[in-house]
Amino acid sequence: DIQMTQSPSSLSASVGDRVTITCRASQSISNYLNWYQQKPGKAPKLLIYGASNLQSGVPSRFSGSGSGTDFTLTISSLQPEDFATYYCQQSYSTPHTFGQGTKVEIK
Amino acid sequence: EVQLVESGGGLVQPGGSLRLSCAASGLTFSRYWMSWVRQAPGKGLEWVANIKEDGSEKYYVDSVKGRFTISRDNAKNSLYLQMNSLRVEDTAVYYCARSGSWYVYWGQGTLVTVSS
Repeated sequence: DIQMTQSPSSLSASVGDRVTITCRASQSISNYLNWYQQKPGKAPKLLIYGASNLQSGVPSRFSGSGSGTDFTLTISSLQPEDFATYYCQQSYSTPHTFGQGTKVEIK
Repeated sequence: EVQLVESGGGLVQPGGSLRLSCAASGLTFSRYWMSWVRQAPGKGLEWVANIKEDGSEKYYVDSVKGRFTISRDNAKNSLYLQMNSLRVEDTAVYYCARSGSWYVYWGQGTLVTVSS
């Protein structure tokens, strides 16, 4: 199975900050990498698919990059509604494993 | 509007069984892979299983192989997860999702609690 490792596990940031979350796959997954946002008590929401494609309706302050084994999710200017937990997921092969999550908290 | 609505969760004793259902609307259900993803209380997301459009291919995470069975009824626009030999560690919110290479649509989840 492909292991997905996110870093950091949590971070504290202020509104307006630029935030970067990284995700590393245990083997090459090409660009089969998705990013999700989850708020407490809610289902995950797709933000980025195919490593760098912005899902319809998602604000342009979210962006994704990378290929192979190393990927990045960037929030260019953190907004109050962005405080949540973020997960990467590989869909290169089953099981479609998730990273352990990165909790973005208010500083 | 796409809607996925899970049902069938509840409290069950270790070793017991439960069948989850996911009713889909607003999409051509038979055209998509479907998946189950779970989340233990306070923990991260764990992919559980998926099934091809016509049900001919099914895949499972190792921890549920031989105990869980995913199935679908395209005539009823429904996805199922039969869970047998349940363990305490299967306690989680179970989500169904329209899958493929990315998971756009998710249900609201149904809570399964395995406890004596």
